[in-house]
Amino acid sequence: DAGVIQSPRHEVTEMGQEVTLRCKPISGHNSLFWYRQTMMRGLELLIYFNNNVPIDDSGMPEDRFSAKMPNASFSTLKIQPSEPRDSAVYFCASSFGEIDEQYFGPGTRLTVT
Amino acid sequence: KQEVTQIPAALSVPEGENLVLNCSFTDSAIYNLQWFRQDPGKGLTSLLLIQSSQREQTSGRLNASLDKSSGRSTLYIAASQPGDSATYLCAVRPNAGNNRKLIWGLGTSLAVNP
Repeated sequence: DAGVIQSPRHEVTEMGQEVTLRCKPISGHNSLFWYRQTMMRGLELLIYFNNNVPIDDSGMPEDRFSAKMPNASFSTLKIQPSEPRDSAVYFCASSFGEIDEQYFGPGTRLTVT
Repeated sequence: KQEVTQIPAALSVPEGENLVLNCSFTDSAIYNLQWFRQDPGKGLTSLLLIQSSQREQTSGRLNASLDKSSGRSTLYIAASQPGDSATYLCAVRPNAGNNRKLIWGLGTSLAVNP
């Protein structure tokens, strides 16, 4: 398997623009996690899906952020409108069944100017 | 509220040294604890997972221990190598059941010098 795939790897956008980050989990995995990592705050869980259903979205910072998982092989994280403070590395991770080991994608580095 | 702390934030050692990374958590009622490695510009890789009923886990030169009552875990790296240079993060899963949310430390940045 190719592992968790994220796109784009880098995104530079202007404040106010819509940003969509994409994730393809490992085939067969049924849990998917979206994280944000910054130097100041470390790794933060934004939202977590189990069997395509959002289980915990308490980490989503505000209404500008939304996430979807229309099927088991694809998820998106959207920021609209984007702000400079959203600049961070966004990671997607997946896991299988009752096994807690999470497999991380390479991340998307987002810069909002 | 569960909080995870890692000390030190950064560590620099000569090659070959045995070293210990520390992780502490405020609530001893955890389901499991994991150690991850992150290389610069890359995602995280799971190294070791310790269930709450276990005391330690080993993989090659890595050994992770867990003392729930004192809220501590250590990652022991034997005979360190330059390739071990990375950031090491620990994460606690507070609950069993459907919620798999992890609480993360900020990590220890390790540099092993040749």
